Amino acid sequence: ETGVTQTPRHLVMGMTNKKSLKCEQHLGHNAMYWYKQSAKKPLELMFVYNFKEQTENNSVPSRFSPECPNSSHLFLHLHTLQPEDSALYLCASSQDSATGGTDGYTFGSGTRLTVV
Amino acid sequence: GNSVTQMEGPVTLSEEAFLTINCTYTATGYPSLFWYVQYPGEGLQLLLKATKADDKGSNKGFEATYRKETTSFHLEKGSVQVSDSAVYFCALSRSGGSNYKLTFGKGTLLTVNP
Repeated sequence: ETGVTQTPRHLVMGMTNKKSLKCEQHLGHNAMYWYKQSAKKPLELMFVYNFKEQTENNSVPSRFSPECPNSSHLFLHLHTLQPEDSALYLCASSQDSATGGTDGYTFGSGTRLTVV
Repeated sequence: GNSVTQMEGPVTLSEEAFLTINCTYTATGYPSLFWYVQYPGEGLQLLLKATKADDKGSNKGFEATYRKETTSFHLEKGSVQVSDSAVYFCALSRSGGSNYKLTFGKGTLLTVNP
């Protein structure tokens, strides 16, 4: 596969569940990002990883826990979510967090999360 | 702070009509500017970009010119097709320490009818 792949595409979870979102990129990039896309709101940057190190946490609640075991994989661990956390979660990557500013990011197709 | 404002949608056009989607920005320094497109059920795809004033980005018949004097980056296409129906996002990059992060507008839904 090429590009940025996110799994699952759709996820329904209860407020007491624990689940994880997975993102994998085959582009040789070193920076990866989590964004939240909610209806009627701009995309919200959640986390930035550069060479496996977290370099940004945009005041995200602790019920969202990211993990970046290597430059190709990024996870978002979810627990005790709220209904307002229902959204499309997008993963993106760039060569690194500096060149991403001039080259832009490559996005995955997202995971549509519904919290019930 | 840094922000992007783009015209509210939805925008509905007939095939072969001229398209303009306005985008203005507020930023310190000299950000790079981007247009992304999101087709139904998909993630965002980079459509075009410009990295300095007066640059024109172009791709697939779409164009946008980086206007520093008006802080604008309007998206245009001379003749839209049904397949152009999608949500379009204007974005800018901003530096924060070692990171350059993308800040997006709210998106504009374009529907093109045959």
